[in-house]
Amino acid sequence: GQQVMQIPQYQHVQEGEDFTTYCNSSTTLSNIQWYKQRPGGHPVFLIQLVKSGEVKKQKRLTFQFGEAKKNSSLHITATQTTDVGTYFCAGTPRDTGANNLFFGTGTRLTVIP
Amino acid sequence: DGGITQSPKYLFRKEGQNVTLSCEQNLNHDAMYWYRQDPGQGLRLIYYSQIVNDFQKGDIAEGYSVSREKKESFPLTVTSAQKNPTAFYLCASSRSGTATGGSNQPQHFGDGTRLSIL
Repeated sequence: GQQVMQIPQYQHVQEGEDFTTYCNSSTTLSNIQWYKQRPGGHPVFLIQLVKSGEVKKQKRLTFQFGEAKKNSSLHITATQTTDVGTYFCAGTPRDTGANNLFFGTGTRLTVIP
Repeated sequence: DGGITQSPKYLFRKEGQNVTLSCEQNLNHDAMYWYRQDPGQGLRLIYYSQIVNDFQKGDIAEGYSVSREKKESFPLTVTSAQKNPTAFYLCASSRSGTATGGSNQPQHFGDGTRLSIL
């Protein structure tokens, strides 16, 4: 069955350090979405990548979709305490007409001031 | 203010009891979803509905039931057949239940319901 794995599961960084989380799918994806869940909160949509090799930036966040559309990464430059939370990737298998997402296991980011 | 409302925020279930979690959206979205989140894990899809009066099983539907009689409402019943119901339940909606041109609709989430066993 469809599996989406993320590494690392946890990451502690000093404020100002960079952070990267990696997402790997067992099958080729049509697209990938990224969500952020603050402690005690609900997931909030960040971005969607559709094209092979696509790179998108949102201020200090850089999102990348692999050439084979089976992996993705999120990189945060110079982390801030507001970046704390769990980051999930969520993919849709190729050739699936439904809007269903398979969520990754998530990476919980802690930023130490 | 448009959004998704889940209630109650906390819910306790006795052994052998069915409980129903409410999810209402005023975003005029066609599709709605129910997820289960266990500590330290990702979201797993329980049921989804692409349109009113239609719904499909997700990955972990056993022990759960849903209905979609109105566009804005998608209640989830946790039945006594669900032997390990303690979890955080999240409801979500999206404008459409289908992918278009390789692109999917973002999902908007409610604040969740924490269900525990007494």
